[in-house]
Amino acid sequence: GENVEQHPSTLSVQEGDSAVIKCTYSDSASNYFPWYKQELGKRPQLIIDIRSNVGEKKDQRIAVTLNKTAKHFSLHITETQPEDSAVYFCAASGRGSTLGRLYFGRGTQLTVWP
Amino acid sequence: DGGITQSPKYLFRKEGQNVTLSCEQNLNHDAMYWYRQDPGQGLRLIYYSQIVNDFQKGDIAEGYSVSREKKESFPLTVTSAQKNPTAFYLCASSILAADEQFFGPGTRLTVL
Repeated sequence: GENVEQHPSTLSVQEGDSAVIKCTYSDSASNYFPWYKQELGKRPQLIIDIRSNVGEKKDQRIAVTLNKTAKHFSLHITETQPEDSAVYFCAASGRGSTLGRLYFGRGTQLTVWP
Repeated sequence: DGGITQSPKYLFRKEGQNVTLSCEQNLNHDAMYWYRQDPGQGLRLIYYSQIVNDFQKGDIAEGYSVSREKKESFPLTVTSAQKNPTAFYLCASSILAADEQFFGPGTRLTVL
């Protein structure tokens, strides 16, 4: 099945700086790549996603880039704020016999210092 | 937020007892999922179901069982065969496979 690696596991930035989280995947047939944010004690919530037919997607301060050739995708957060502090998870979709599920990375704990 | 619910929020059980966690959704989603979350382990898939009366094992299905008799309900039973059941359990649903998953608020299970 798919294998998703996420780095770094922890990331600390100063308020206003940018943060980048990277994920790699193993199955070139995966075609859906969501990013979830989970605040302490809360449920994960989708913040942005991208499909394999596009290379980049932006939503205000958040952007995701996808490199299908290299099989990696990244989350970019600009002008970080303390409320961006959370755990971020990347995921890749299954295909074939595992169609219908997502494979999640282990998460990145982002801390934004004021 | 109110579209997918889990109950109870906290659950305590004695070792050796089976326990069933509830997950209900009113989003008319076809697919439903159960994840286990432990510190530093991310989200690990236990079982998932794409249609009623059908489900597939995820990565850590041993010691767990599910049923999908109704579209809106996907209960998870943690059996006594699960060696380390204390964890945070999250249920999710999606309209279709390979689409956004919406998560419930979770159930924190503690086995004493």
